[in-house]
This record gives sequence, structure tokens and C-alpha cells, in this order.
Amino acid sequence: AQSVTQLDSQVPVFEEAPVELRCNYSSSVSVYLFWYVQYPNQGLQLLLKYLSGSTLVKGINGFEAEFNKSQTSFHLRKPSVHISDTAEYFCAVEGGTSYGKLTFGQGTILTVHP
Amino acid sequence: GAVVSQHPSRVICKSGTSVKIECRSLDFQATTMFWYRQFPKQSLMLMATSNEGSKATYEQGVEKDKFLINHASLTLSTLTVTSAHPEDSSFYICSASRQARNQPQHFGDGTRLSIL
Repeated sequence: AQSVTQLDSQVPVFEEAPVELRCNYSSSVSVYLFWYVQYPNQGLQLLLKYLSGSTLVKGINGFEAEFNKSQTSFHLRKPSVHISDTAEYFCAVEGGTSYGKLTFGQGTILTVHP
Repeated sequence: GAVVSQHPSRVICKSGTSVKIECRSLDFQATTMFWYRQFPKQSLMLMATSNEGSKATYEQGVEKDKFLINHASLTLSTLTVTSAHPEDSSFYICSASRQARNQPQHFGDGTRLSIL
């Protein structure tokens, strides 16, 4: 079985500052990794995904994430955040016997202050 | 991009009522749809996986007679909360995928269900 841990439940940051949202996973088999964003009272929107190949993955809205197999991490980064990036971010993993199923982390609320 | 429409966005009803939530993939054929439940300030909990034309697979602890799922076509899945009670109040989200393996899931905007 897979598990996902998002190390920070809340991350406050000032506008135009860089941000990193941390995600660690555990799995005994190869996995696929995803980051989703959720705005209040809405569903989830895919930011980016890692399936294979280059470990640095670029997504929408200027976000990127790096897959680190040795550290079993998939941290999300943005060099300069905007007020509109305020939302909740979920890291998710799919793999092994959980065919097609996603296991989500607990979520990180990113709050961007002016 | 892939669009998933979920309806209604909000439901308020009396205890004992059955509520149906629809999930439609608007621009692609979804072989697999997933239903999640999200409690306030918590992550998404997978309730069940439905594949077109077959019975849904429910996660452990989810009552299949309480949460009826139908996936009659490649673009529509429905979740019916039967005889809803206040403890069923939650945010329900569906997602759809072209195929189950390694394809990203596309999410609907969720349904806020409030049982009085």
C-alpha cells in the first residue's frame, strides 16, 4: 500500500517570494506522482504529474516539482508566488496494486499575503 | 483540457431524503470514474471506483447500499445517497479518467450536501 505525507499543513508566504510545499511518499513499487490544487468549494485541478523520464516536472501556473527517488520525495516549488496562488494543494500517488486509485496527502494550505 | 461537470453544486434537504449527484465527462470518454468524500479541513477519501458497464468497487467501510453508484455510459456516473442523515453531510467530489492506469484524474467541482 502507498502513503503520502505532506509535511506542512499550512504555509504562509508573502507575494513574490519563493515557496516549497513538501511531499514524501512510501511505496514498495514504482509510483506515479501528482500535485493538485483546490480552490474553496471547488474540485481539484491538476498542476503537474510525474510518470517517468526527467525528474524535474513543470506544470501550470509556473509550478514545478522534482521527483527524488532516493528520498522518496516530490516537493512542489514556485519561484515567485501571487495572491491568486492562495489555495490548498494536494500531493497524490498512484501505484502498485492500487490500479488507477490515488492516495492523497493531507493537504497544504498555501496563503499568500500582500 | 478535459472537463468534468458535477451537478448539483449544492443540496440542502431533509433527513430521510435520497439525493442523486451526477458526474459527466463533457469532452472525453471516461472508462473509470471515482467518487470521493471530503470532510472539512481534511483530505479526499476515496469511496468507490466505477467502471462503465460494471458494478462499482467500494472501499472498505463504505456502505454500498447507502451510496448507490451507477456508471451507465462512458460519460455519466451517478452517486445516490439513500435515506440521507445529517452525518452524511459532506463535500462529495467525482473524478473521471480515460483509462485507469497512470492517466490523471479530472475532477468535478464537487457537491456540498447538507442534511437537516
